[in-house]
Amino acid sequence: GAVVSQHPSWVICKSGTSVKIECRSLDFQATTMFWYRQFPKQSLMLMATSNEGSKATYEQGVEKDKFLINHASLTLSTLTVTSAHPEDSSFYICSTGTSGQGNEQFFGPGTRLTVL
Amino acid sequence: AQTVTQSQPEMSVQEAETVTLSCTYDTSESNYYLFWYKQPPSRQMILVIRQEAYKQQNATENRFSVNFQKAAKSFSLKISDSQLGDTAMYFCAFMKPHSGAGSYQLTFGKGTKLSVIP
Repeated sequence: GAVVSQHPSWVICKSGTSVKIECRSLDFQATTMFWYRQFPKQSLMLMATSNEGSKATYEQGVEKDKFLINHASLTLSTLTVTSAHPEDSSFYICSTGTSGQGNEQFFGPGTRLTVL
Repeated sequence: AQTVTQSQPEMSVQEAETVTLSCTYDTSESNYYLFWYKQPPSRQMILVIRQEAYKQQNATENRFSVNFQKAAKSFSLKISDSQLGDTAMYFCAFMKPHSGAGSYQLTFGKGTKLSVIP
């Protein structure tokens, strides 16, 4: 299957700072990428869908000005958590979906964000 | 909107035994895709098995098989000869047909924590 990487795997930051998480598809062109948030012992919650070259579509209740998504190329999408606060601490996972890979999403290994 | 329900928050099974995880869903679509994903302690999501709704035959992947009942909107996962490495969270997921907005989007159930006991 396709390989998706995320960087960093974990990050600790101070309240009020911004953090950027990168999601890369290593061996195929990802026209669509998804960003999820997962709290401990809970399921994945879809935050937004990004399509290469266009604006992201955010799910209801997700602040688009706080969680900035950029999908500038077919291999890279970034999620920037702006002015992070302790309640933003969570596990963030990206995945890709493209017709070239059939009916399957490939997931990155996730990024653990801790905001102090 | 689609919903996916996993009614068993936690389950346990003895090593080498068989266990079945349940999943029901609700949709008005006639064609769609269903998945079981595994999330071990590493938290990497791993595809276990998938089923296309238009296929009547139940999918199988080695020790993993599904019981897909389209009319009942049920999609259970059977794990045979359970191994210690099967210990993980298991998520049932629904994907609607690929057309327009929401293509490839997954809707997840809340998950079932499976523990395999030696």
